[in-house]
Amino acid sequence: GQNIDQPTEMTATEGAIVQINCTYQTSGFNGLFWYQQHAGEAPTFLSYNVLDGLEEKGRFSSFLSRSKGYSYLLLKELQMKDSASYLCAVTPGARGAGSYQLTFGKGTKLSVIP
Amino acid sequence: GAGVSQSPSNKVTEKGKDVELRCDPISGHTALYWYRQSLGQGLEFLIYFQGNSAPDKSGLPSDRFSAERTGGSVSTLTIQRTQQEDSAVYLCAVGQGTYEQYFGPGTRLTVT
Repeated sequence: GQNIDQPTEMTATEGAIVQINCTYQTSGFNGLFWYQQHAGEAPTFLSYNVLDGLEEKGRFSSFLSRSKGYSYLLLKELQMKDSASYLCAVTPGARGAGSYQLTFGKGTKLSVIP
Repeated sequence: GAGVSQSPSNKVTEKGKDVELRCDPISGHTALYWYRQSLGQGLEFLIYFQGNSAPDKSGLPSDRFSAERTGGSVSTLTIQRTQQEDSAVYLCAVGQGTYEQYFGPGTRLTVT
């Protein structure tokens, strides 16, 4: 089966750094994703990790440890516009040719306060 | 989202009626996924289309749900005899067969 856990809500201050954790237990693993979703909008892709380590992209970084079934998303220099839900998702492995179907956690609602 | 539109944006229907939801990707996206997002729940995979291959229907919750993709482009998700628990946002995502998926704006379905 698939199980993905992440905190339900977090609050952080503008200009600060916040780390959103995600743990997963899946029957297969072919990569971990982070998506950002503003209220009432579609999810937008932030990052993809398939190997252990840290991937940095501007203010956002994502870390993966496959042996621990653990990832985090690090947001630096927080801005008010970063207030959104952050979705952790795992693709368990190709089902059929090239499938990257995603299993999502329930999302972490981040509120950035002045 | 870039490269995909969905219609209608909102749909209110009575319990027991059938509904059709449409996903219209721009050309070149060979992979197409349907997900749904219920209140307080994570996005749930429903079905996957890739080129001319048989679709992966493993996520469809019941036989009331079906989907097709015509000509490798437009896809329609049909829900028959709708139930209140079908109320959710239905999202279509497209890709090139790599890991990146681009989500459409979704259809908010409300079953009364």
